Amino acid sequence: GESVGLHLPTLSVQEGDNSIINCAYSNSASDYFIWYKQESGKGPQFIIDIRSNMDKRQGQRVTVLLNKTVKHLSLQIAATQPGDSAVYFCAENAGGATNKLIFGTGTLLAVQP
Amino acid sequence: GAVVSQHPSRVICKSGTSVKIECRSLDFQATTMFWYRQFPKQSLMLMATSNEGSKATYEQGVEKDKFLINHASLTLSTLTVTSAHPEDSSFYICSAKSGGRGATQYFGPGTRLLVL
Repeated sequence: GESVGLHLPTLSVQEGDNSIINCAYSNSASDYFIWYKQESGKGPQFIIDIRSNMDKRQGQRVTVLLNKTVKHLSLQIAATQPGDSAVYFCAENAGGATNKLIFGTGTLLAVQP
Repeated sequence: GAVVSQHPSRVICKSGTSVKIECRSLDFQATTMFWYRQFPKQSLMLMATSNEGSKATYEQGVEKDKFLINHASLTLSTLTVTSAHPEDSSFYICSAKSGGRGATQYFGPGTRLLVL
């Protein structure tokens, strides 16, 4: 969850294609995961969450997959639209009694018209 | 849905002055509020966790005397950056949640601080 460098990983997709954004988390005790979308100059916006007793959850045009074996989380966006262009962060609940979220480094999704 | 506001949205101040940022939950009571800092092209870094009526819990490396947090009510938390310096220039974001562990955190729109 530590921020690194000045260059966000970037995923460039064509409008209408499906997007898959990946995230590796660090704490095997984490039991709650969230994906956030952040547009330039704005705060993060909740997209979808998943608890560790599930491996898949679907929302409107979005699906989150959780693989606890390899500590991997992915966000799939169907029929990507220009309005989906933003930075996407995964976050994990740090476990234990704390309510803290640990954010991943983020991925910039660039949708080409 | 749950709405969190921040004020001001942008602030420019001179080095050495103090700046207060407000975070409000508009349509729910927030048992816990969080303050984050985000530098350009980087992730959100948690600064502190604030529970109403009690002292904030600061993350390692965050100076509690420099970043004063007050959570006076279930709908308001304030972050005061004291004796601000140019390196404090950043995007400060608060979030609020109602309920226990696993409850959704709702984020404010952020405050852009520029210290000259």
